Amino acid sequence: DAGVIQSPRHEVTEMGQEVTLRCKPISGHDYLFWYRQTMMRGLELLIYFNNNVPIDDSGMPEDRFSAKMPNASFSTLKIQPSEPRDSAVYFCASSPGGQRSGYTFGSGTRLTVV
Amino acid sequence: AQSVTQLGSHVSVSEGALVLLRCNYSSSVPPYLFWYVQYPNQGLQLLLKYTTGATLVKGINGFEAEFKKSETSFHLTKPSAHMSDAAEYFCAVSALGGYQKVTFGTGTKLQVIP
Repeated sequence: DAGVIQSPRHEVTEMGQEVTLRCKPISGHDYLFWYRQTMMRGLELLIYFNNNVPIDDSGMPEDRFSAKMPNASFSTLKIQPSEPRDSAVYFCASSPGGQRSGYTFGSGTRLTVV
Repeated sequence: AQSVTQLGSHVSVSEGALVLLRCNYSSSVPPYLFWYVQYPNQGLQLLLKYTTGATLVKGINGFEAEFKKSETSFHLTKPSAHMSDAAEYFCAVSALGGYQKVTFGTGTKLQVIP
């Protein structure tokens, strides 16, 4: 299994531009999570899906952030417009059984907004 | 509500010495507990987990942790540190009840001195 695959690994964009981060979970995992990691705030859960349905998006910081999961093998996190304070590492994780199973994380996307 | 506290943001040990990383949790219901490891520029990797049953849990790379309900602790140990253990370690807690939220600690960076 190739694990959780995220793209791109690095993204540098100008303030105001739209950014799309992509994630392919492990096949058969029915939970998908988006996390953001910064030095100041640590790991923050942004949103999670169960069977492609968004369950909790209370961690999404603003309306500028949106996430979709059109099918079981693909999810996107979009920021529009981007701001310098969005600079962080964004992780996608998937799980076969949610909290009890533990998560498999992708390698992350390092986003820099200048 | 649930939370986790990791004592010590940085820990240094000599190669071959005991590794002890401390984690205390707070949860109003029986918890699931996890330790993850993060190597530079990588995602988090599950080291071990406690769900139910035996309170001493063994994980990968020679690590183990013991769930102590009376002390609300889940400390991570390894008898003999290896240079390859240098990484950041995260304790995490999730509560039984169906709500899929894992709360991560702020992390402890382990330095191994040759």
